[in-house]
Amino acid sequence: EDQVTQSPEALRLQEGESSSLNCSYTVSGLRGLFWYRQDPGKGPEFLFTLYSAGEEKEKERLKATLTKKESFLHITAPKPEDSATYLCAVQAGTGNQFYFGTGTSLTVIP
Amino acid sequence: NAGVTQTPKFQVLKTGQSMTLQCAQDMNHNSMYWYRQDPGMGLRLIYYSASEGTTDKGEVPNGYNVSRLNKREFSLRLESAAPSQTSVYFCASSRLASGELFFGEGSRLTVL
Repeated sequence: EDQVTQSPEALRLQEGESSSLNCSYTVSGLRGLFWYRQDPGKGPEFLFTLYSAGEEKEKERLKATLTKKESFLHITAPKPEDSATYLCAVQAGTGNQFYFGTGTSLTVIP
Repeated sequence: NAGVTQTPKFQVLKTGQSMTLQCAQDMNHNSMYWYRQDPGMGLRLIYYSASEGTTDKGEVPNGYNVSRLNKREFSLRLESAAPSQTSVYFCASSRLASGELFFGEGSRLTVL
């Protein structure tokens, strides 16, 4: 069964304290791995797509990497405005479904 | 640029009542999706429409029906609401069946 697991469930960081969020997946025929950011009361907002192991994408303080079994979202010197829930999703096989993890709730303390 | 628009934003229903959630996108996307989000469960796909004129069941379709009215609009109907359908519902669209999803702001439904 296709599965996506995110860890940790929650993370509190001091402003400037770098860390990483993990997304591990067990799917057959990965077509893409996606990272989203979700603010309270809002819909998820697309951040990155990764297609193959070894690929990396960067945007401001965020960097996403992909291996054959997991993806990391690295946050460098976070700011309070980076506080949000970060969701990982995979698309696999021949279907049109995206499988979402339950997210990591990030809080950055000033 | 409105993106994906959902209505209503909030709704309270009694068990057994019916209602329709409306979704419209103005990005000329081919594919549209309905998800529900529950605490600890993540986003789960209810139905999707890969292109105009087609609809398919997702992970949790029971108790729901959908209509792809045209390329822009995709509605979700609850025929007889149950408390288990209390959730936040998100509509999303994508240019192709593969690719990033663009989400609406959500519709918060409570079934008493």
